[in-house]
Amino acid sequence: ETGVTQTPRHLVMGMTNKKSLKCEQHLGHNAMYWYKQSAKKPLELMFVYSLEERVENNSVPSRFSPECPNSSHLFLHLHTLQPEDSALYLCASSHLVFGVSTDTQYFGPGTRLTVL
Amino acid sequence: AQKITQTQPGMFVQEKEAVTLDCTYDTSDQSYGLFWYKQPSSGEMIFLIYQGSYDEQNATEGRYSLNFQKARKSTNLVISASQLGDSAMYFCAMREGGNYGGATNKLIFGTGTLLAVQP
Repeated sequence: ETGVTQTPRHLVMGMTNKKSLKCEQHLGHNAMYWYKQSAKKPLELMFVYSLEERVENNSVPSRFSPECPNSSHLFLHLHTLQPEDSALYLCASSHLVFGVSTDTQYFGPGTRLTVL
Repeated sequence: AQKITQTQPGMFVQEKEAVTLDCTYDTSDQSYGLFWYKQPSSGEMIFLIYQGSYDEQNATEGRYSLNFQKARKSTNLVISASQLGDSAMYFCAMREGGNYGGATNKLIFGTGTLLAVQP
């Protein structure tokens, strides 16, 4: 596997379900990100993990719970979601090098989530 | 205030012709980075090209080039010799700061431009 992978690619869940999205990066990066892409809205940053510590949480509801067990893996645990949470969830990774401004983020293919 | 503005919701271009996608940005930082991504219908966000605020030359990457006008705060993407596979959404993004410790590399995205390449 190369780059950034995400599973599952598609997920349909009810409002009372609990599910998890998985992201894995094979690029040797030290930072990982979750983004939400809703229809007709700009991509929204949800969480940032740098060296496995959460460094950004953009006022995301608690029904979304991230987990970063190591620098290669990132999870997004979902519970009691609402229909408006239906969106494409994208994971990205980058190599944060303080003092250098060219740390490009590389994205996975996304998980398309539908909440019924 | 909107940080990244892409004023073209959709564009058409004939195959083999060049096309310019517009992007303007707003920041008070002296150090920032500008990115363009391509998103085909499959959903994956593909990195295309990067321009640093201190770069004096316009960035180029194969058929992609940037027309970076710092004073106008614009960074337009030029795609030369369009191909059918170029049909996709194109997003402009900006990272503010980054040249000091604590940077989280937060990207701010525009709303995108849908490019359709016609045979």
